[in-house]
Amino acid sequence: QVQLVQSGAEVKKPGSSVKVSCKASGGTFGSSGVTWVRQAPGQGLEWLGGIVPLFGTTDSAQKFQGRVTVTADESTTTAYMELSGLRSADTAVYYCATTPDCINGVCRTAYFDNWGQGTLVTVST
Amino acid sequence: QSVLTQPPSVSGAPRQRVTISCSGSRSNVGDNFVNWYQQFPGKAPKLVVFYNDQVASGVSDRFSGSKSGTSASLAIRGLQSDDEAEYYCAVWDDSLDGLVFGGGTKLTVL
Repeated sequence: QVQLVQSGAEVKKPGSSVKVSCKASGGTFGSSGVTWVRQAPGQGLEWLGGIVPLFGTTDSAQKFQGRVTVTADESTTTAYMELSGLRSADTAVYYCATTPDCINGVCRTAYFDNWGQGTLVTVST
Repeated sequence: QSVLTQPPSVSGAPRQRVTISCSGSRSNVGDNFVNWYQQFPGKAPKLVVFYNDQVASGVSDRFSGSKSGTSASLAIRGLQSDDEAEYYCAVWDDSLDGLVFGGGTKLTVL
């Protein structure tokens, strides 16, 4: 199975942006979708958005629309999640995950069988 | 407040059977597949059950899932100490047009 390797921890100032990467090591994303989920300290899981790299189709949670941008570069088998307008409440571990449960570039699913190791983003003055 | 409701905690003795519930509505649990994740502290979530009742590859057959109407359950039989973890249900919500998670249930093996 392809291993998802995420970029390292980040410390950001309020109001700035962060871009987290997720590389498919040892393979490609194929027709799979890539989603982004975060977990604030001591809290549950929260979905931000996703992309199907082969199709370039994206979607995002209503809560994050306008603040989150999900992209992918198939040549480097890497997906990216950029979150802007950072505030302290965005301090969390950010995970990427993949799903095979997509049809024609649309993944209306909560089935993710492969996860990255997580990236801690800390927003602090 | 999560769209999907899970009990905050459940517990059971070794070798016992426990169930974790996930209650939603027609737009999520009622009309879409429910998936379950296991998470240990400091680790990424791991898929244990998908499409309501399919046990993920490499996961013990002591785990099973079911769904009825707008509620779903994860059952673990023959409890072992290494089952102690946080468990989350997850499903697509047609009304929100997005993915939603339950609030999580901490399983304690006594």
